[in-house]
Amino acid sequence: LAKTTQPISMDSYEGQEVNITCSHNNIATNDYITWYQQFPSQGPRFIIQGYKTKVTNEVASLFIPADRKSSTLSLPRVSLSDTAVYYCLVGDMNTNAGKSTFGDGTTLTVKP
Amino acid sequence: DTGVSQDPRHKITKRGQNVTFRCDPISEHNRLYWYRQTLGQGPEFLTYFQNEAQLEKSRLLSDRFSAERPKGSFSTLEIQRTEQGDSAMYLCASSFSGTGEMEAFFGQGTRLTVV
Repeated sequence: LAKTTQPISMDSYEGQEVNITCSHNNIATNDYITWYQQFPSQGPRFIIQGYKTKVTNEVASLFIPADRKSSTLSLPRVSLSDTAVYYCLVGDMNTNAGKSTFGDGTTLTVKP
Repeated sequence: DTGVSQDPRHKITKRGQNVTFRCDPISEHNRLYWYRQTLGQGPEFLTYFQNEAQLEKSRLLSDRFSAERPKGSFSTLEIQRTEQGDSAMYLCASSFSGTGEMEAFFGQGTRLTVV
């Protein structure tokens, strides 16, 4: 099982760039890295997914080094509404959902 | 399509009672997942279906838990003889299987409180 390790919490201010790193030392060859955002009393929401190098979409970037043992979610110019828990998920839900594990997440607090 | 729908949103039950939750996935999605989440922790995988077939079950899914997905559409998760330790948020997600990138869409969950 690809266990993930993330910081428990992070604080930031509006307009800053936030980088959240996830360690996943025993990631398997077929595993993807996916990040989800969760607000209180809601289900997780997909942010971004990658396999290697860099992926960018309209809300975030995902940086994955060559050894794939870690990944960094980058949120540009955060706002108060980005205050949430961010989960790094490693695995391949298509073929092995049971081994795709969410960690305990990083609680990001954005301050004015 | 309004996304993944779960019903009820909240359920309070007495210990020992049976409860059933329903999940309606996004209509074109063939995969459906159930997760359990307790306060301060990430979601834990319980089981998943591809169409009507239950392909994987976690060891967390004791024999008091059963999930079905008749006709490959909506799914139900039943907990028999509930215990206080079953109190949690039960999340359903759906996706369309394929190669490469896979995005799962989660419902808002059913919060179960066993008293």
